[in-house]
Amino acid sequence: DAGVIQSPRHEVTEMGQEVTLRCKPISGHNSLFWYRQTMMRGLELLIYFNNNVPIDDSGMPEDRFSAKMPNASFSTLKIQPSEPRDSAVYFCASSGQDRFSYEQYFGPGTRLTVT
Amino acid sequence: KQEVTQIPAALSVPEGENLVLNCSFTDSAIYNLQWFRQDPGKGLTSLLLIQSSQREQTSGRLNASLDKSSGRSTLYIAASQPGDSATYLCAANNQGGKLIFGQGTELSVKP
Repeated sequence: DAGVIQSPRHEVTEMGQEVTLRCKPISGHNSLFWYRQTMMRGLELLIYFNNNVPIDDSGMPEDRFSAKMPNASFSTLKIQPSEPRDSAVYFCASSGQDRFSYEQYFGPGTRLTVT
Repeated sequence: KQEVTQIPAALSVPEGENLVLNCSFTDSAIYNLQWFRQDPGKGLTSLLLIQSSQREQTSGRLNASLDKSSGRSTLYIAASQPGDSATYLCAANNQGGKLIFGQGTELSVKP
């Protein structure tokens, strides 16, 4: 299995621009998570989906952030408009319900820089 | 609200030493606890997952323990190697997958 796939790996954009991050979870996994990592705040859960349905979006910082999961193999995290304080590494993770219940597997992350 | 703390924040040891990393959590009603490794500029690699009903899990030179009543988990690394140098993160799962992370312990193993 290729693992969790994220694109792009690096994104540099100017303040005010729209940014879209993409994630392909591990095939067969039914839960998908978006995290953000910064030096100041560490790793924070933004939102997670179960069977393509958003379950908890309490970590989404504000209305500028939105996430979708149109099918079991694809999710997007969108920031519109972007701001310099959104600069961080964004990780996607997936998990399945098996005997290693809820073990999460992370993608390589997208490093976002907003200038 | 679950809070996860890792002590120490950084640790430097000579190669070959056995070491223990600590993780504490405030809400003992966890579903499981997961230990990760993160290399600089990379994603997270899952090392061990301990279910709430388990006391420990082992993988090679790694052993993780869990004491729910005291809100503690430890990661034991035997015979440390320079390749073990990385940041180690623990994360508590209270609700079917929602992980709360500690700030991590940055480990440096000197040759």
